[in-house]
Amino acid sequence: SQQGEEDPQALSIQEGENATMNCSYKTSINNLQWYRQNSGRGLVHLILIRSNEREKHSGRLRVTLDTSKKSSSLLITASRAADTASYFCGTGANNLFFGTGTRLTVIP
Amino acid sequence: EAGVAQSPRYKIIEKRQSVAFWCNPISGHATLYWYQQILGQGPKLLIQFQNNGVVDDSQLPKDRFSAERLKGVDSTLKIQPAKLEDSAVYLCASSLGQSGYTFGSGTRLTVV
Repeated sequence: SQQGEEDPQALSIQEGENATMNCSYKTSINNLQWYRQNSGRGLVHLILIRSNEREKHSGRLRVTLDTSKKSSSLLITASRAADTASYFCGTGANNLFFGTGTRLTVIP
Repeated sequence: EAGVAQSPRYKIIEKRQSVAFWCNPISGHATLYWYQQILGQGPKLLIQFQNNGVVDDSQLPKDRFSAERLKGVDSTLKIQPAKLEDSAVYLCASSLGQSGYTFGSGTRLTVV
């Protein structure tokens, strides 16, 4: 399978806490991308990390990539109720394959 | 910058009928993708175009699904005949080079 697999499947936290979700993959990648999907909407691109990068930041998001372990993590700091969504990692060489996602619920 | 446009937003058809979805990508984006997302699952790639040529259609059920991208801009995805298991959201996305993908809001198809 070329797709990434997100873990955990579901995560529920209080507003203000940090949320960490993980992605594992099996094949070689050029880059790994994280997306957010609100209910009934399309996916929104959050961050792209290239295979030669180890860590990347964007606002409250921090992504790490360990190509030796074929894994990545997405950290959302100081979570807000508006962060409630499903999060997917996209992996692949020339196109993106997605897992089933992590459903994050942030409780106000 | 305008986003990826898709229509219709919703579609309900009976099994064995035909249906078509339309996508207009972001201007200048050479690569266009169609994904199928069944409820509770992640998006599954159906087909990838580079300009008007097919790059990857290995997961497209070609006995009933077809797609085209005439002139390398707009694209249509067709299902003929539809089955109950085709009920899903069909997402179109576009990208430029190795950048992130921009997704449309999708077409929710219900086959009854």
